[in-house]
Amino acid sequence: DAGITQSPRYKITETGRQVTLMCHQTWSHSYMFWYRQDLGHGLRLIYYSAAADITDKGEVPDGYVVSRSKTENFPLTLESATRSQTSVYFCASRSLDTQGVPQHFGDGTRLSIL
Amino acid sequence: DQQVKQNSPSLSVQEGRISILNCDYTNSMFDYFLWYKKYPAEGPTFLISISSIKDKNEDGRFTVFLNKSAKHLSLHIVPSQPGDSAVYFCAASRPGANNLFFGTGTRLTVIP
Repeated sequence: DAGITQSPRYKITETGRQVTLMCHQTWSHSYMFWYRQDLGHGLRLIYYSAAADITDKGEVPDGYVVSRSKTENFPLTLESATRSQTSVYFCASRSLDTQGVPQHFGDGTRLSIL
Repeated sequence: DQQVKQNSPSLSVQEGRISILNCDYTNSMFDYFLWYKKYPAEGPTFLISISSIKDKNEDGRFTVFLNKSAKHLSLHIVPSQPGDSAVYFCAASRPGANNLFFGTGTRLTVIP
């Protein structure tokens, strides 16, 4: 089915471990985004990508790494997880068009770091 | 610093009545506003949007009003239905920026 899928849906890991969250979209959208949702903050942008091999920082990029070797995939890596990175992570995408085109979101990954 | 604010964390409304969700913003450069709806364990889904050149946009039971001088927008749902129970996020964007700035969300409960 066309859409945007995130995996895993749930993940528990330990402080200091590396963890990668996957995001895959089938629309061939140019733009892809990673947000985290925390109580009292809404959704905050971590990183985004305008096209393959083009990425840029958002509001809260520290502790995260992204890559985009293929248009359809945009993995997010926590190189050394910390408890403050416990959150729900959402991937989103949108087409190149105008500013007003809304972003489409995946169903999220709930990440717990012990 | 939260540039988009939703000051009411929750709202309860009787079925059939009007729901009014409010959103304030501080950045006068924002020129496009969106509302997203989110059910538990799902991602936000786009509901309705408005450009700053308009003051009202309607889509079925949903209407968004924009007051640029007050830096305020609101979402009206009429009539409210139990299936509207969800968390509603207001979001804004500015020219040349690719990301959205989100509010903290308002949980709407429609009581049958």
